[in-house]
Amino acid sequence: SYELTQPPSVSVSPGQTATISCSGDKLGDKYACWYQQKPGQSPMLVIYQDMKRPSGIPERFSGSNSGNTATLTISGTQAMDEADYYCQAWDSSTAVLFGGGTKLTVL
Amino acid sequence: QVQLVESGGGVVQPGRSLRLSCAASGFTFRNFGMYWVRQAPGKGLEWVGNIWYDGSNIYYADSVQGRFTISRDNSKNTLSLQMNSLRVEDTAVYYCARKEDFGEALDYWGQGTLVTVS
Repeated sequence: SYELTQPPSVSVSPGQTATISCSGDKLGDKYACWYQQKPGQSPMLVIYQDMKRPSGIPERFSGSNSGNTATLTISGTQAMDEADYYCQAWDSSTAVLFGGGTKLTVL
Repeated sequence: QVQLVESGGGVVQPGRSLRLSCAASGFTFRNFGMYWVRQAPGKGLEWVGNIWYDGSNIYYADSVQGRFTISRDNSKNTLSLQMNSLRVEDTAVYYCARKEDFGEALDYWGQGTLVTVS
């Protein structure tokens, strides 16, 4: 079955660039999206169709998807960006699929 | 503004049933596919199932196939999840979410409702 793999955790200093990866077989052939989830809150879409930002999402959030890896990049990371991040794709055999999530720590 | 409000969660014994509802407002409900996604305590997101905008197609995760039923009432702007034969491992926060227009991303989520099977 199709799987999406994310690193369990990523750390970044304030103002630096955070990069979170999401790996899956030929993931670049599918659309990937990303969600941010803060403690006690519902997930929020931050990137869809690989690189598009929903209205209201800061420009420091960007995405890419090629080969076997989709990447979420947060430039000039702020303390408020500390959260869990989940990638998601769609596969004909397993429908909607989420990665295991990455805890982003800003320290 | 788009709002999704889940209800119906609670504590239930293994083997029993529970029905969740999701009230939608702020958008034309009948035009959008809808999803149920759950999150076990301290765990990641898990797709439960989804229903097309017109109810013509419904899909389920293997873990709930045959036990859970998704339905919608476009006249009442309501999405439902009927959960039968509940198991301890079904304990989770259940979210309803709206699928975006042209892809498979979920652009709006409800606040979730907690189901505890114990």
